Amino acid sequence: GAVVSQHPSRVICKSGTSVKIECRSLDFQATTMFWYRQFPKQSLMLMATSNEGSKATYEQGVEKDKFLINHASLTLSTLTVTSAHPEDSSFYICSAPASTSRNTIYFGEGSWLTVV
Amino acid sequence: QKEVEQDPGPLSVPEGAIVSLNCTYSNSAFQYFMWYRQYSRKGPELLMYTYSSGNKEDGRFTAQVDKSSKYISLFIRDSQPSDSATYLCAMSYGGATNKLIFGTGTLLAVQP
Repeated sequence: GAVVSQHPSRVICKSGTSVKIECRSLDFQATTMFWYRQFPKQSLMLMATSNEGSKATYEQGVEKDKFLINHASLTLSTLTVTSAHPEDSSFYICSAPASTSRNTIYFGEGSWLTVV
Repeated sequence: QKEVEQDPGPLSVPEGAIVSLNCTYSNSAFQYFMWYRQYSRKGPELLMYTYSSGNKEDGRFTAQVDKSSKYISLFIRDSQPSDSATYLCAMSYGGATNKLIFGTGTLLAVQP
């Protein structure tokens, strides 16, 4: 079964509204989680590194005020897309390194966001 | 120039064929190399992970790394229709659990 759970798997929202996506590690703690974005027929692009108890680290070109990341517990990170626009429509995926194996990283199933 | 280059395909092969997927990279600081499989509209699944130059085999899959040429490959033997997916190479500076830099992915279709 999935070890990293994402919710919702699909969401449609109106332009200008905000959407929250949750990423949970199941049965293990994740002090770090990564958020990626994948546009159709393109690769995964790292958006930010989510750190439990501290501010997220954003990649160059990613607006931190638009993509709010909160990692309030060792098993939950959230990504909020604020004032969403159609160009934000994409596949958002989170990942978390396994606490028991430094060479294993688990990906969530992804969340499809469509902004209309 | 992108840090990681990967032919997007699509690549179509008959069932039973040997498939060769490749990536090149520009930054010699990459130390860890991974191959992921992604089915449509799903999160990627780790197939192979390698650290040093050379070959690593796991069942029908063989990962090959040539650091001197900055070139990595994934070979799939006896390909099956269920292998049809997008294959992504990924690289990391500081370990497989560090942030990953992905290739664009190669779409593979294995025809029955």
